[in-house]
Amino acid sequence: EPEVTQTPSHQVTQMGQEVILRCVPISNHLYFYWYRQILGQKVEFLVSFYNNEISEKSEIFDDQFSVERPDGSNFTLKIRSTKLEDSAMYFCASSRGVPYYNSPLHFGNGTRLTVT
Amino acid sequence: DQQVKQNSPSLSVQEGRISILNCDYTNSMFDYFLWYKKYPAEGPTFLISISSIKDKNEDGRFTVFLNKSAKHLSLHIVPSQPGDSAVYFCALKATGGGNKLTFGTGTQLKVEL
Repeated sequence: EPEVTQTPSHQVTQMGQEVILRCVPISNHLYFYWYRQILGQKVEFLVSFYNNEISEKSEIFDDQFSVERPDGSNFTLKIRSTKLEDSAMYFCASSRGVPYYNSPLHFGNGTRLTVT
Repeated sequence: DQQVKQNSPSLSVQEGRISILNCDYTNSMFDYFLWYKKYPAEGPTFLISISSIKDKNEDGRFTVFLNKSAKHLSLHIVPSQPGDSAVYFCALKATGGGNKLTFGTGTQLKVEL
């Protein structure tokens, strides 16, 4: 069964550094998302992306964050200047059609970001 | 953000018995309700969903019930199997456009032999 793949599985970075988290969504999917889960907390929505533009973003997704689909397969999340509170598990997700009516979100296994 | 709550952080059930996981929400502005399962070191996996126009949806061993007046969602797993041991999240989609999901805090289910 096709999967959403995320790399790296674990990223350690120093505060103030830029990081790029990478995702390869399922190939025929059209809607893309980033969620994150801070340790011990809820899974939180960050951003959704469709037709090469952001369709919705949360309050968390401030100017430090950006997303890009640089080619036909990758979907990236960039954090420009990381803060300690950005440490979390970041999940990429995709769906084939308009979620969620017969088109559930498929999540990747996540990238654990540790900011020191 | 207290809109979606799963009040039981953990639940232990014997193999073969029914597992009931609960989820409460605080406003009526949700129109689609989902359950996800999560194993350690993996992403959430979609289990089952229900729209606000229904009160029950069944898929094999999994049944989701929606009580809109009580603002309560539940997932029944019967019979429970050891492989069902995981964290279960309810996730709700708001009415009126937008595709984001609001997740509950999760319930750790342990199915014992």
